Amino acid sequence: GAGVSQSPSNKVTEKGKDVELRCDPISGHTALYWYRQSLGQGLEFLIYFQGNSAPDKSGLPSDRFSAERTGGSVSTLTIQRTQQEDSAVYLCASSFEGLSTDTQYFGPGTRLTVL
Amino acid sequence: KQEVTQIPAALSVPEGENLVLNCSFTDSAIYNLQWFRQDPGKGLTSLLLIQSSQREQTSGRLNASLDKSSGRSTLYIAASQPGDSATYLCAVTNSGYALNFGKGTSLLVTP
Repeated sequence: GAGVSQSPSNKVTEKGKDVELRCDPISGHTALYWYRQSLGQGLEFLIYFQGNSAPDKSGLPSDRFSAERTGGSVSTLTIQRTQQEDSAVYLCASSFEGLSTDTQYFGPGTRLTVL
Repeated sequence: KQEVTQIPAALSVPEGENLVLNCSFTDSAIYNLQWFRQDPGKGLTSLLLIQSSQREQTSGRLNASLDKSSGRSTLYIAASQPGDSATYLCAVTNSGYALNFGKGTSLLVTP
Protein backbone atom coordinates (compact mmCIF):
# COMPACT_ATOMS: atom_id res chain seq x y z
CA GLY A 1 0.00 0.00 0.00
CA ALA A 2 0.91 3.67 -0.03
CA GLY A 3 3.55 4.89 2.37
CA VAL A 4 3.82 8.17 4.23
CA SER A 5 3.66 11.11 1.84
CA GLN A 6 4.79 14.68 2.41
CA SER A 7 4.32 17.89 0.49
CA PRO A 8 5.91 19.93 -0.81
CA SER A 9 9.14 18.03 -1.39
CA ASN A 10 11.05 21.30 -1.51
CA LYS A 11 10.18 24.74 -0.18
CA VAL A 12 12.21 27.92 -0.53
CA THR A 13 10.99 30.91 1.41
CA GLU A 14 12.17 34.30 2.54
CA LYS A 15 13.05 35.05 6.12
CA GLY A 16 10.01 36.21 8.05
CA LYS A 17 7.43 34.38 5.95
CA ASP A 18 5.16 31.62 7.28
CA VAL A 19 5.28 28.09 5.82
CA GLU A 20 3.04 25.04 6.06
CA LEU A 21 4.29 21.50 5.59
CA ARG A 22 1.89 18.62 5.07
CA CYS A 23 2.03 14.96 6.03
CA ASP A 24 -0.29 12.14 4.97
CA PRO A 25 0.31 9.10 7.18
CA ILE A 26 -0.23 5.48 6.26
CA SER A 27 -3.93 4.68 6.31
CA GLY A 28 -4.96 3.13 9.62
CA HIS A 29 -1.97 4.43 11.55
CA THR A 30 -3.07 6.27 14.68
CA ALA A 31 0.33 7.66 15.66
CA LEU A 32 2.09 10.46 13.77
CA TYR A 33 5.48 12.05 14.43
CA TRP A 34 7.41 15.05 13.11
CA TYR A 35 11.21 15.17 13.14
CA ARG A 36 13.73 17.69 11.84
CA GLN A 37 17.08 16.85 10.23
CA SER A 38 19.48 19.77 10.23
CA LEU A 39 22.95 19.80 8.76
CA GLY A 40 25.36 18.90 11.51
CA GLN A 41 22.60 18.44 14.09
CA GLY A 42 21.21 15.08 13.15
CA LEU A 43 17.58 14.12 13.51
CA GLU A 44 15.57 15.62 16.35
CA PHE A 45 12.05 14.86 17.55
CA LEU A 46 9.54 17.69 17.27
CA ILE A 47 6.00 16.49 18.08
CA TYR A 48 3.91 13.32 18.51
CA PHE A 49 0.20 12.73 17.93
CA GLN A 50 -1.62 9.61 19.14
CA GLY A 51 -5.30 9.22 18.36
CA ASN A 52 -7.39 11.82 20.17
CA SER A 53 -4.88 12.35 22.98
CA ALA A 54 -3.20 15.70 23.56
CA PRO A 55 -0.02 15.84 21.45
CA ASP A 56 3.46 15.74 22.97
CA LYS A 57 4.93 19.05 21.82
CA SER A 58 8.07 18.82 23.95
CA GLY A 59 10.41 18.83 20.97
CA LEU A 60 9.17 22.00 19.30
CA PRO A 61 12.11 24.46 19.34
CA SER A 62 10.10 27.67 19.75
CA ASP A 63 6.58 29.05 19.85
CA ARG A 64 6.93 29.85 16.14
CA PHE A 65 6.38 26.15 15.51
CA SER A 66 2.95 24.54 15.73
CA ALA A 67 1.29 21.44 14.35
CA GLU A 68 -2.22 20.14 13.89
CA ARG A 69 -3.68 16.81 13.01
CA THR A 70 -7.17 16.98 11.58
CA GLY A 71 -9.55 14.04 11.74
CA GLY A 72 -6.85 11.79 13.08
CA SER A 73 -5.16 11.62 9.70
CA VAL A 74 -3.41 14.45 7.83
CA SER A 75 -1.05 16.68 9.78
CA THR A 76 0.26 20.18 9.07
CA LEU A 77 3.41 21.63 10.60
CA THR A 78 3.41 25.42 10.54
CA ILE A 79 6.45 27.61 11.04
CA GLN A 80 5.71 31.30 11.54
CA ARG A 81 8.15 34.12 10.85
CA THR A 82 10.77 31.71 9.48
CA GLN A 83 14.43 32.19 10.34
CA GLN A 84 17.50 30.93 8.51
CA GLU A 85 18.19 28.42 11.28
CA ASP A 86 14.85 26.78 10.42
CA SER A 87 16.41 25.49 7.18
CA ALA A 88 16.36 21.71 7.42
CA VAL A 89 14.65 18.60 6.15
CA TYR A 90 11.36 18.02 7.98
CA LEU A 91 10.44 14.35 8.21
CA CYS A 92 7.08 12.89 9.12
CA ALA A 93 6.54 9.33 10.33
CA SER A 94 3.57 7.21 11.32
CA SER A 95 3.07 3.97 13.21
CA PHE A 96 0.15 1.68 13.86
CA GLU A 97 -0.57 2.52 17.50
CA GLY A 98 2.43 4.47 18.77
CA LEU A 99 3.59 1.59 20.95
CA SER A 100 7.27 0.99 21.63
CA THR A 101 6.94 -2.26 19.68
CA ASP A 102 5.74 -0.44 16.56
CA THR A 103 8.02 0.42 13.68
CA GLN A 104 7.91 4.06 12.60
CA TYR A 105 7.54 4.51 8.84
CA PHE A 106 9.06 7.69 7.48
CA GLY A 107 8.08 9.88 4.57
CA PRO A 108 10.60 11.31 2.08
CA GLY A 109 10.69 14.66 3.87
CA THR A 110 10.27 18.32 2.96
CA ARG A 111 13.48 20.26 2.39
CA LEU A 112 12.97 23.80 3.69
CA THR A 113 15.37 26.56 2.72
CA VAL A 114 14.99 29.96 4.34
CA LEU A 115 16.83 32.72 2.48
CA LYS B 1 19.39 13.99 28.31
CA GLN B 2 19.93 10.93 26.10
CA GLU B 3 23.01 11.15 23.90
CA VAL B 4 23.47 8.71 21.02
CA THR B 5 26.88 8.36 19.40
CA GLN B 6 27.78 6.43 16.27
CA ILE B 7 31.25 5.34 15.32
CA PRO B 8 32.72 5.56 12.75
CA ALA B 9 31.19 8.62 11.08
CA ALA B 10 32.20 7.26 7.68
CA LEU B 11 33.38 3.91 6.39
CA SER B 12 34.55 2.66 3.01
CA VAL B 13 34.95 -1.06 2.35
CA PRO B 14 35.40 -3.26 -0.72
CA GLU B 15 32.50 -5.42 -1.80
CA GLY B 16 32.23 -8.74 0.02
CA GLU B 17 33.64 -7.63 3.34
CA ASN B 18 31.82 -8.11 6.62
CA LEU B 19 31.53 -4.94 8.67
CA VAL B 20 30.37 -3.65 12.03
CA LEU B 21 28.77 -0.31 12.84
CA ASN B 22 28.73 0.87 16.43
CA CYS B 23 26.19 2.81 18.45
CA SER B 24 26.35 3.90 22.07
CA PHE B 25 23.83 5.69 24.29
CA THR B 26 24.15 7.33 27.68
CA ASP B 27 20.79 6.53 29.31
CA SER B 28 20.14 2.78 29.49
CA ALA B 29 16.44 3.18 30.43
CA ILE B 30 15.29 2.63 26.86
CA TYR B 31 12.19 0.96 25.48
CA ASN B 32 13.84 -0.10 22.27
CA LEU B 33 16.67 0.54 19.82
CA GLN B 34 16.23 0.77 16.08
CA TRP B 35 18.58 0.79 13.14
CA PHE B 36 17.55 2.74 10.04
CA ARG B 37 18.97 3.22 6.59
CA GLN B 38 18.81 6.56 4.77
CA ASP B 39 19.54 6.93 1.07
CA PRO B 40 20.41 10.39 -0.30
CA GLY B 41 17.33 12.58 -0.72
CA LYS B 42 15.04 9.96 0.73
CA GLY B 43 13.39 9.17 4.02
CA LEU B 44 14.41 6.56 6.54
CA THR B 45 13.84 2.85 6.16
CA SER B 46 13.62 0.77 9.32
CA LEU B 47 16.03 -2.18 9.26
CA LEU B 48 15.79 -3.76 12.69
CA LEU B 49 13.98 -3.00 15.95
CA ILE B 50 15.28 -4.52 19.20
CA GLN B 51 13.08 -4.33 22.28
CA SER B 52 14.84 -3.57 25.57
CA SER B 53 14.32 -7.15 26.74
CA GLN B 54 15.95 -8.61 23.62
CA ARG B 55 19.62 -9.16 22.88
CA GLU B 56 19.62 -9.28 19.08
CA GLN B 57 17.59 -9.27 15.90
CA THR B 58 18.44 -10.65 12.48
CA SER B 59 17.16 -9.89 9.02
CA GLY B 60 18.92 -11.43 6.04
CA ARG B 61 22.53 -10.29 6.02
CA LEU B 62 21.93 -7.91 8.92
CA ASN B 63 22.33 -8.68 12.60
CA ALA B 64 21.88 -6.14 15.37
CA SER B 65 22.84 -6.72 18.97
CA LEU B 66 21.90 -4.78 22.09
CA ASP B 67 23.74 -4.61 25.41
CA LYS B 68 21.42 -2.35 27.33
CA SER B 69 23.40 -2.29 30.56
CA SER B 70 26.53 -1.03 28.83
CA GLY B 71 24.60 1.27 26.49
CA ARG B 72 25.85 -0.29 23.27
CA SER B 73 24.56 -1.75 20.05
CA THR B 74 26.25 -3.06 16.94
CA LEU B 75 24.95 -3.58 13.44
CA TYR B 76 26.73 -6.37 11.60
CA ILE B 77 26.47 -6.47 7.81
CA ALA B 78 27.66 -9.68 6.19
CA ALA B 79 29.06 -9.94 2.67
CA SER B 80 28.58 -6.26 1.89
CA GLN B 81 27.31 -5.18 -1.54
CA PRO B 82 27.45 -1.82 -3.38
CA GLY B 83 23.69 -1.54 -2.83
CA ASP B 84 24.35 -1.37 0.91
CA SER B 85 25.92 2.08 0.43
CA ALA B 86 23.86 4.50 2.50
CA THR B 87 23.81 6.29 5.84
CA TYR B 88 22.95 4.05 8.77
CA LEU B 89 21.25 5.62 11.76
CA CYS B 90 20.83 4.26 15.25
CA ALA B 91 17.94 5.51 17.41
CA VAL B 92 16.70 4.81 20.92
CA THR B 93 13.54 5.82 22.73
CA ASN B 94 13.14 6.55 26.44
CA SER B 95 9.50 7.57 26.08
CA GLY B 96 8.30 4.68 23.97
CA TYR B 97 7.72 6.86 20.90
CA ALA B 98 10.09 9.85 20.49
CA LEU B 99 13.27 8.59 18.85
CA ASN B 100 16.72 9.95 19.79
CA PHE B 101 19.01 9.54 16.81
CA GLY B 102 22.74 9.33 16.41
CA LYS B 103 24.35 11.31 13.60
CA GLY B 104 24.84 8.24 11.50
CA THR B 105 27.56 6.27 9.79
CA SER B 106 28.01 6.94 6.07
CA LEU B 107 28.87 3.63 4.40
CA LEU B 108 30.39 3.25 0.94
CA VAL B 109 30.82 -0.23 -0.50
CA THR B 110 33.05 -0.19 -3.56
CA PRO B 111 32.79 -2.78 -6.35
